Amino acid sequence: GAVVSQHPSRVICKSGTSVKIECRSLDFQATTMFWYRQFPKQSLMLMATSNEGSKATYEQGVEKDKFLINHASLTLSTLTVTSAHPEDSSFYICSATWGGTEAFFGQGTRLTVV
Amino acid sequence: QKEVEQDPGPLSVPEGAIVSLNCTYSNSAFQYFMWYRQYSRKGPELLMYTYSSGNKEDGRFTAQVDKSSKYISLFIRDSQPSDSATYLCAMSEETDSWGKLQFGAGTQVVVTP
Repeated sequence: GAVVSQHPSRVICKSGTSVKIECRSLDFQATTMFWYRQFPKQSLMLMATSNEGSKATYEQGVEKDKFLINHASLTLSTLTVTSAHPEDSSFYICSATWGGTEAFFGQGTRLTVV
Repeated sequence: QKEVEQDPGPLSVPEGAIVSLNCTYSNSAFQYFMWYRQYSRKGPELLMYTYSSGNKEDGRFTAQVDKSSKYISLFIRDSQPSDSATYLCAMSEETDSWGKLQFGAGTQVVVTP
């Protein structure tokens, strides 16, 4: 299958700082990328959908000013958690797809805000 | 009420046994049904997907969908210790929304040698 790389895999940051997470499709051009959040023992929850060159579409209840998504190219999307707080600590996963085919997931980023 | 319900387990089975997993859902608009496997601290990996109702088999894996009951199942035959992982069901309303999925909470499966 296609490869989606997410970086970093783990990050610890201080409360109030911002953290950027990168999602790259390594061997295909991703027209659409998705960002999910997963709390322990809970399901993956879709946060937002991003299409290359356009603004992201956020799911209800997700603060777009707090979770900034940029899909600047067909191989890269970034999620920036601004002014992070301990309650933002979670597992963030991206997925990427092209032309309505299967979505491939990155390996996830474990964010811990202290 | 969650759109997709899945028993989190853990489900422990001896090697060689059949693993039976299931999910129920409430949204009748779901058309595509997927099963993902997720190892600890990794992203989900697609195992199988089916459209609408029916059965699908791939090697040791069989997926079943019963839309009338809003119930889907995954069976793993001749289970191996390497099958130990968390299994997530996922569903979507449209074929062009592979990424816009509704996930179950995942069932942790442990296959003991």
